Amino acid sequence: QQQVKQSPQSLIVQKGGISIINCAYENTAFDYFPWYQQFPGKGPALLIAIRPDVSEKKEGRFTISFNKSAKQFSLHIMDSQPGDSATYFCAASRSGAGSYQLTFGKGTKLSVIP
Amino acid sequence: DVKVTQSSRYLVKRTGEKVFLECVQDMDHENMFWYRQDPGLGLRLIYFSYDVKMKEKGDIPEGYSVSREKKERFSLILESASTNQTSMYLCASVTAYSNQPQHFGDGTRLSIL
Repeated sequence: QQQVKQSPQSLIVQKGGISIINCAYENTAFDYFPWYQQFPGKGPALLIAIRPDVSEKKEGRFTISFNKSAKQFSLHIMDSQPGDSATYFCAASRSGAGSYQLTFGKGTKLSVIP
Repeated sequence: DVKVTQSSRYLVKRTGEKVFLECVQDMDHENMFWYRQDPGLGLRLIYFSYDVKMKEKGDIPEGYSVSREKKERFSLILESASTNQTSMYLCASVTAYSNQPQHFGDGTRLSIL
């Protein structure tokens, strides 16, 4: 049973536009929600992360919005650039589990066209 | 910066061979993980280790085993490689003492012929 559902699977955005990727989770014990960015031939790298005590976190052009009651969180990329073209993964984990296993969404391939 | 190094970027092996994938991290992390990444399926956890000589099965452990003899090194073993194990394999590590992001290596693209 997939515990983190990510959509869309792929996304094409014009340069300068807003890219929006959505994730929904089921396990209410999750308390850490990172987003990873992966370029071809590279491993995933942490982009931005949020904990459920805040509803929004912004770092430059990247913003996470978090809705605890709906069990949803989303990544917004403002002023999208061709260099943002990559695969994005949302993930979730819970404290107290010791290993801090991450449960990943299936990924969104973003293409930003000039 | 945390560095997770996977020994091979590309590897081609034959069906039935025993295959070793190696991963080393330099941040003294307690936890290490092996994932496989396939198009449309995302990252799926094969095994993880929370201490030397300790291991736990992930979501898809069948056909794989692991070894952690030293804290910094975590090996993935394909006991008898099969074509359905052709995939990208990613190693990651993280501290055990707080909920922090995992750090990934750049992956090993394994082809089984």
